[in-house]
Amino acid sequence: DGGITQSPKYLFRKEGQNVTLSCEQNLNHDAMYWYRQDPGQGLRLIYYSQIVNDFQKGDIAEGYSVSREKKESFPLTVTSAQKNPTAFYLCASSIIFGLGLVSYNEQFFGPGTRLTVL
Amino acid sequence: GQQVMQIPQYQHVQEGEDFTTYCNSSTTLSNIQWYKQRPGGHPVFLIQLVKSGEVKKQKRLTFQFGEAKKNSSLHITATQTTDVGTYFCAGYSTLTFGKGTMLLVSP
Repeated sequence: DGGITQSPKYLFRKEGQNVTLSCEQNLNHDAMYWYRQDPGQGLRLIYYSQIVNDFQKGDIAEGYSVSREKKESFPLTVTSAQKNPTAFYLCASSIIFGLGLVSYNEQFFGPGTRLTVL
Repeated sequence: GQQVMQIPQYQHVQEGEDFTTYCNSSTTLSNIQWYKQRPGGHPVFLIQLVKSGEVKKQKRLTFQFGEAKKNSSLHITATQTTDVGTYFCAGYSTLTFGKGTMLLVSP
């Protein structure tokens, strides 16, 4: 089955620890994205990647880091510098990165990881 | 930076009533997408609008893109309990999501 996967579904960490959330897709999509969702806040873009070995900061990148060494994978690390890390994290991918372009860029979302920092 | 405002934040309707959510951008958009997120789930793509004044329909759902490409709406005719969820718009010039409209439908 083609799709985008995130693991684990629920994750608990102690304050001050870094934690890495995984995101894998087998859709052969070039673009991948990480969002954070808080109640009543919608989706806020953390980082995005247009192609392998390239990524850009989104609106709320502080306290987060990413890598894109493989087309299929876009892991997100929540560092101890992130002041309010408890949230629902969503990864998405699209065929291409259509920012500013009139092009087809439907985003496919993974099931999400709910991170709780104690 | 670009801001995308979505209203209302929440709406509760009786099954069979119509529902509309509005999305307004502070800047001109190149295109706009709509997503639906069921409770406990992840967003699922509904549609993308590109052209000024564009109107698209999907069964009971009607999507509109404003002439100035700064606003959009989603209208659901005769809501059903399966329409329950949060509807998000996402505006492209800087990829910004609205905060969403949560729809609750009572049978």
